[in-house]
Formats: sequence, C-alpha cells, structure tokens
Amino acid sequence: AQSVTQPDIHITVSEGASLELRCNYSYGATPYLFWYVQSPGQGLQLLLKYFSGDTLVQGIKGFEAEFKRSQSSFNLRKPSVHWSDAAEYFCAVGAGTNAGKSTFGDGTTLTVKP
Amino acid sequence: DGGITQSPKYLFRKEGQNVTLSCEQNLNHDAMYWYRQDPGQGLRLIYYSQIVNDFQKGDIAEGYSVSREKKESFPLTVTSAQKNPTAFYLCASSPSIQGQQFFGPGTRLTVL
Repeated sequence: AQSVTQPDIHITVSEGASLELRCNYSYGATPYLFWYVQSPGQGLQLLLKYFSGDTLVQGIKGFEAEFKRSQSSFNLRKPSVHWSDAAEYFCAVGAGTNAGKSTFGDGTTLTVKP
Repeated sequence: DGGITQSPKYLFRKEGQNVTLSCEQNLNHDAMYWYRQDPGQGLRLIYYSQIVNDFQKGDIAEGYSVSREKKESFPLTVTSAQKNPTAFYLCASSPSIQGQQFFGPGTRLTVL
C-alpha cells in the first residue's frame, strides 16, 4: 500500500520569501501525486498533480512541484510567498488502479509573516 | 455552476442520535468519497464509492454507513455507534478512481 509523509507540521515564512514544502511517498511503481490547499473551515482545492511526463509540474497560484523518483519526493515550491498563501497544504499519493483512492499526508500548516 | 455541495455547513446533534450528512455533485463523476478531519490531522477515508449501488469501507468505517442510490448523491450517516463523532466531514468526487478529487466545502458536526 502507498503512504505519504509530510515531515514539517508547521512552517513560517516571511512574505516575499521563497517556500518549499516537503513530501515523501512510498510506492513501488510510478505514483500519481497531488498537492492540495485548504483554507480554514473549507474544503480542499487542487494546486497541481503529476501523473507522468515532465517531472517539473506547474500549478495554480504560482506553485510548482518537482517529482524526484530517486528521492521518492514531490516537494512543493513557490518563489515568493504572499500573505494569502497562509493555509494548510496536503500532499497525496495514488497508485495504479486505486489512483483515485488517494492517501493523504497529515498536512503542513503555512504561516506567513508580514 | 458545477461542483459539490454539502449541507448543512454546521450540524449539532445530541449524543445517541443518528445524523445524516448530505453530499451532492453535478460533475457527472463516477467516484465519490467521505473523509473525516480532526484538528491537526490529515484526512482519513471513511467510505468510497466507485459506481452507483456499490461502495467500499475506508480506513475508519466503524460507526458510519453510506448509500449510493444515485450517481450524484452519496449521503453519510453517522450512527450512535461512532464513539467520537464530533469532527469536520469532507465529501469529494472524481471522474474515475484514478482522477484528481474535487472537494465540497465540508460539514462540521458537533455532538453534544
């Protein structure tokens, strides 16, 4: 079965600084990978996804993520954080015929300092 | 507008009562899911359905029940057997079991 780990529970960055949120997965073959964002009291919104092809994936709101098979990682990045990016971020992994039945990480809460 | 609706947004019930949470989608998606989210925790899968009239247990199905009589509807019943029902409940759907998931706004259930 697949699994996903988000090592950082909480990250604080200053507005305008760069951001990297870590995600490590466990799965024997090429996984389907997702990043979602959740504002307080709301549902989740997809930021980006990786199924195959180019390992650098562009998403909405200026986010990107890079799939690194050798490191089993799918880290999320943004060059310059805005105050509105403060939220909780979830990495998810799906695999094979159960790809839609994603396994979610525990999330990383992002705080943005003015 | 296409999307997923969950109602109500806030729900209060007395201990020992069953309660049903609504989830409706007009995206024509085959697969639907129910998750539970507790403070500081990720999403835990309760039930999912890949097709009408079929559903499977997720990781924490005990104390919950679902039905999938129509493609667009996937209601979740929290029964009195669920020991800690107070939580935020999220419904999602996807075009197929391999697709990305689209989430509803959630229902916050508080059992008094």
